[in-house]
Amino acid sequence: GEDVEQSLFLSVREGDSSVINCTYTDSSSTYLYWYKQEPGAGLQLLTYIFSNMDMKQDQRLTVLLNKKDKHLSLRIADTQTGDSAIYFCAEQDSGGYQKVTFGTGTKLQVIP
Amino acid sequence: DTGVSQNPRHKITKRGQNVTFRCDPISEHNRLYWYRQTLGQGPEFLTYFQNEAQLEKSRLLSDRFSAERPKGSFSTLEIQRTEQGDSAMYLCASSLGLAGNQQTQYFGPGTRLLVL
Repeated sequence: GEDVEQSLFLSVREGDSSVINCTYTDSSSTYLYWYKQEPGAGLQLLTYIFSNMDMKQDQRLTVLLNKKDKHLSLRIADTQTGDSAIYFCAEQDSGGYQKVTFGTGTKLQVIP
Repeated sequence: DTGVSQNPRHKITKRGQNVTFRCDPISEHNRLYWYRQTLGQGPEFLTYFQNEAQLEKSRLLSDRFSAERPKGSFSTLEIQRTEQGDSAMYLCASSLGLAGNQQTQYFGPGTRLLVL
């Protein structure tokens, strides 16, 4: 079955760049997502990338996809204290009800 | 606010009681999903509706769980005879549901359940 893996924790200083990594197993994934979850809240969609793209940039966010290695990363430039949250990588099936499988999340701590 | 809404936001109940949660999806979205999230984990799929039809159920959805979407708009998730292991955040998501188009799921704020 599908599996999505992420490192559990990342700590960066305010103003530095953060890079959160993710690996997935389903080669038929069509879309890959990054969601942000703040304490006690639901998931906020940050960005997504279609599987035929290598890179997508959206303001401070850059998503890189290496489809051969099934590796996805999220780079946050100029990280702010408000970026402290848990970041979930997710991959979406191409068929059926287009099931989304989430990773366990990476907790980003931004140190002032 | 036209996002996904869920009620209640928090629920504390005693073991053995029944609870019901409600989800109101984004109005034009045909697809509705329920997920469960336990501490330190990502959301795990429970069930999915296309309009009023429940088309997929996870093995996580025991027979104590039932979900409905009677008119293809809001949905309810009921847990009967709650157990302490049911304590979790229950998340609802919706997506447009148009064939051949990207199906981003938008999430509600969740209902946090604590079973004592």
